[in-house]
Amino acid sequence: GQQVMQIPQYQHVQEGEDFTTYCNSSTTLSNIQWYKQRPGGHPVFLIQLVKSGEVKKQKRLTFQFGEAKKNSSLHITATQTTDVGTYFCVGGGSQGNLIFGKGTKLSVKP
Amino acid sequence: DAGVIQSPRHEVTEMGQEVTLRCKPISGHNSLFWYRQTMMRGLELLIYFNNNVPIDDSGMPEDRFSAKMPNASFSTLKIQPSEPRDSAVYFCASSRTGLGAEAFFGQGTRLTVV
Repeated sequence: GQQVMQIPQYQHVQEGEDFTTYCNSSTTLSNIQWYKQRPGGHPVFLIQLVKSGEVKKQKRLTFQFGEAKKNSSLHITATQTTDVGTYFCVGGGSQGNLIFGKGTKLSVKP
Repeated sequence: DAGVIQSPRHEVTEMGQEVTLRCKPISGHNSLFWYRQTMMRGLELLIYFNNNVPIDDSGMPEDRFSAKMPNASFSTLKIQPSEPRDSAVYFCASSRTGLGAEAFFGQGTRLTVV
């Protein structure tokens, strides 16, 4: 079945350092979404990418969609303690279902 | 809108008992998803409804799990009989129909089966 692989599983950084998480799919994706889940919370939508090679920015967050639409990345510049949480990439299935990657758990040491 | 509403927020039950989780999606949303989250397996899609019809239930673990959506404003996930390995956080999410539509999650139900 369709799978979305995400690496790394965990990332520990010092506040101020950069952070990147990568997402790979075995099949071409129609779109990719990114969600963030704070500890004890629920996933919250961050952004959607649709076009091949698309790059979007939200303040310190930069999202990229690969040319082949099989991979994506999220980069955070100069992490802050408020960035703590798990970041999920989500592949859009052909039936409209949403397939979550395992997520990358980010911890930030002040 | 109050967002996706799930009940109960917490449930503790004994092995063998029936458990029913409830979800009220956001009004106007045509798609509804049930997810299960554990440390070991992450966020697993259990079932996906579109316009109240189950489209993909391949993630439902076994016959002990069943889900219904009798109308556009209500869905249930039932486990009968429950087992300790069913302990997890169960999320319901809804979205407008269409590829790439943003999904809104409920607060989740933390289920503990002892």
